[in-house]
Amino acid sequence: TQLLEQSPQFLSIQEGENLTVYCNSSSVFSSLQWYRQEPGEGPVLLVTVVTGGEVKKLKRLTFQFGDARKDSSLHITAAQPGDTGLYLCAGSGTGSSNTGKLIFGQGTTLQVKP
Amino acid sequence: NAGVTQTPKFQVLKTGQSMTLQCAQDMNHNSMYWYRQDPGMGLRLIYYSASEGTTDKGEVPNGYNVSRLNKREFSLRLESAAPSQTSVYFCASSARLYFAYNEQFFGPGTRLTVL
Repeated sequence: TQLLEQSPQFLSIQEGENLTVYCNSSSVFSSLQWYRQEPGEGPVLLVTVVTGGEVKKLKRLTFQFGDARKDSSLHITAAQPGDTGLYLCAGSGTGSSNTGKLIFGQGTTLQVKP
Repeated sequence: NAGVTQTPKFQVLKTGQSMTLQCAQDMNHNSMYWYRQDPGMGLRLIYYSASEGTTDKGEVPNGYNVSRLNKREFSLRLESAAPSQTSVYFCASSARLYFAYNEQFFGPGTRLTVL
């Protein structure tokens, strides 16, 4: 069974600080996605990474896919209160594990205080 | 363009009652999904429909049934609600299940409490 472990589970920081959220697995994924979910709403896709070693930037957010495609990270520079929310990673399996369904990590709750 | 819509937004049931959660998408997507979200457990797949006319069990299907009414609509039914089914339920859709990235679009959720 493929699993995705996110760390940390909770993060509370001051506005302007930097942070990194990790998404790790012992399994290889064909692609990995990051979603953000605000309170009372559904998750919204931020980015998809598909190539080992790939780095994508979305304004102050930097996403990286590990070389072996088993892990990913999300780095936020100069966090703002608007970044507050639940961040979820989700992966698509490979080979016989590629059922097309996404496997979600348990999420990282981020609180950015003004 | 509403994306994915869900009804109702909130629901309180008594143990043993039944209800149907409705979901519709207007993006002409082939695949649709039902998830439940519980604190600290991320999103767990209940059922999915790869295409119109097909449905399959996900990770936690017990106590639920689904119907893919047409390409747009996918409903989730609780026949005899239990307190363990208290959760937030999300419907999602994607272009097609076996597409490489399977990027999913989510509805706003239904918050269900079973007393």
